[in-house]
Amino acid sequence: KNEVEQSPQNLTAQEGEFITINCSYSVGISALHWLQQHPGGGIVSLFMLSSGKKKHGRLIATINIQEKHSSLHITASHPRDSAVYICAVKEGTGNQFYFGTGTSLTVIP
Amino acid sequence: GAGVSQSPSNKVTEKGKDVELRCDPISGHTALYWYRQSLGQGLEFLIYFQGNSAPDKSGLPSDRFSAERTGGSVSTLTIQRTQQEDSAVYLCASSLGLGTGAFFGQGTRLTVV
Repeated sequence: KNEVEQSPQNLTAQEGEFITINCSYSVGISALHWLQQHPGGGIVSLFMLSSGKKKHGRLIATINIQEKHSSLHITASHPRDSAVYICAVKEGTGNQFYFGTGTSLTVIP
Repeated sequence: GAGVSQSPSNKVTEKGKDVELRCDPISGHTALYWYRQSLGQGLEFLIYFQGNSAPDKSGLPSDRFSAERTGGSVSTLTIQRTQQEDSAVYLCASSLGLGTGAFFGQGTRLTVV
């Protein structure tokens, strides 16, 4: 069993739809990261969370430490949001990072 | 520069040769991370530095891999006696400190032939 599970693995949405990507983890963590990887491009760090909720533009990330769950929401989705979204957690007691296998999002005009 | 810089951007090497990959983090960032993404795989954490020290090297896939960081800035990842399974994109990231958001470089695509 992976320490980090993401769902869905693949997601296709119409432009303008509200999108949710989920991440569940099994280890105690000190921080959770949401990453975005564009096709053939680099990877950017979207959010780092240790509690609560963060918002940046149309992106919102939430985390529930007790339930070991995080969600990434995209409001008013746009084709340029098409990318792979990766959830990564940093173990609380050690220094290990664990990564989900990513959610591939395609937003259709 | 303003971002994380990695060099070379592409490297093709013969099996058995040694390679060095370089990462220039954002100035002032004390934490530096190395990751690897093999074809069709997710991101794999290799090692991180806090300053010049690497508290946990357990992510390195074998003893052919080593990394160092000097002056709290530039880091090099060295792969000795490269094998075909080492072919991957090697990514470097830096952050102000552990647990803060990380900024990634564009990666070094390594191909071992």
